[in-house]
This record gives sequence, C-alpha cells and structure tokens, in this order.
Amino acid sequence: GENVEQHPSTLSVQEGDSAVIKCTYSDSASNYFPWYKQELGKGPQLIIDIRSNVGEKKDQRIAVTLNKTAKHFSLHITETQPEDSAVYFCAASIRNNNDMRFGAGTRLTVKP
Amino acid sequence: SAVISQKPSRDICQRGTSLTIQCQVDSQVTMMFWYRQQPGQSLTLIATANQGSEATYESGFVIDKFPISRPNLTFSTLTVSNMSPEDSSIYLCSVGRGTYEQYFGPGTRLTVT
Repeated sequence: GENVEQHPSTLSVQEGDSAVIKCTYSDSASNYFPWYKQELGKGPQLIIDIRSNVGEKKDQRIAVTLNKTAKHFSLHITETQPEDSAVYFCAASIRNNNDMRFGAGTRLTVKP
Repeated sequence: SAVISQKPSRDICQRGTSLTIQCQVDSQVTMMFWYRQQPGQSLTLIATANQGSEATYESGFVIDKFPISRPNLTFSTLTVSNMSPEDSSIYLCSVGRGTYEQYFGPGTRLTVT
C-alpha cells in the first residue's frame, strides 16, 4: 500500500521567515495530495491540496509543489506568523477519499 | 466543506468500560470515516462507515472492538469497547466531499485509566 514520509518532524522559524515541509510517497498511482493543519485541541483542517495534473498551487501565503517524477511534494509558507504554529500533515490518495494515507506530521513553531 | 460535530469532546473512562462517540454532519454525505490519533502521532484510519451496511474495517481493527453504526447520511457512532489504557487517543470522524476531499470533526479526546 501507499507509504507517505514527511520531513522534518519539527521546524522552528522566526516570524516573517519562510517554512518548507516535504513529503515523499511510494505509489506512483497516487494522484491527490492534501495538506492539513492541526492546532492544539482541534481536528485537522484542510488548508490546500493539489492534483497530479498540476505542478504548483498557491493560496495567499501558502503554496504546494508536486514533482511526480520524483514522487515528492512540498508545502511552502511565506511570511510566517505566530498563528501558523501548528502540526501540519501531508497525505496522498490514489483512487478516492477512502484510501488516504497520512505522513507523520511536522510541528511548526513560529517565534515572534 | 462541511460542519461536523462530535460528542463528547473529551472523556475519562475506566478500563473495561465502553464509550460511544457520536458524529453529526450538517448535510448529507456518502462517505464517513473514523480515525484514531494516538498521542503525538499521525492519523490512522479505523473504518469507513457505510450507510445501510456494515462498516469496512482497516487491517488491525475489528468490529468487536470498534463497532460502528451509520443509520443515515448525516450521523454515525463509533464505540470503543472493553477499553484499556492503550485506547487513550483522539478519535476523529471525517466526511468525504467530491472525489477526494476529506473534512474532519473536532475530535474526541479519550483517556482510559
């Protein structure tokens, strides 16, 4: 089955700096790659996603890039703010929404 | 997206007892899922809750331990049976939208003593 690896496990940046989180996946048939943000005491929130027919997608300060050849995708957060501090999860899905597999998570801390 | 609520939000239970967690969605959805998130860990799919039929369980999870009901297209329950401290986790329900998207509820934080 699909295996998703996520790095780094923890990331600390200064407010205003950029943050990058990377994920790799094993199954070349995967074609949907969402990113979730989980704040303390809350459920994961879908913040951005990308399909396999797109190389990059941007939404304000957040962007996701996908390299299908290398089987990796990344989350980029620019101009980080303290409220970006959370655990971020990547995921990959092959066919539909009942086969989604998640990475281990990255704890992002943005220092004011 | 969808507005998803879970009850209870948290509970402390004694070993050997059972807890039923409820998940309510503000609109009809075809796909509902239950996940477990152990402390500091990622999300692991327990089962897909099918309306009108038995749930589909992932490897390592069995119906006797985690019975699931799905009486209609907006509601599901997950029961954690005969609990042990190893069952202490966050239990999350999610719903499918479109072909791929999943949206999560706020979670139920369970501590077993």
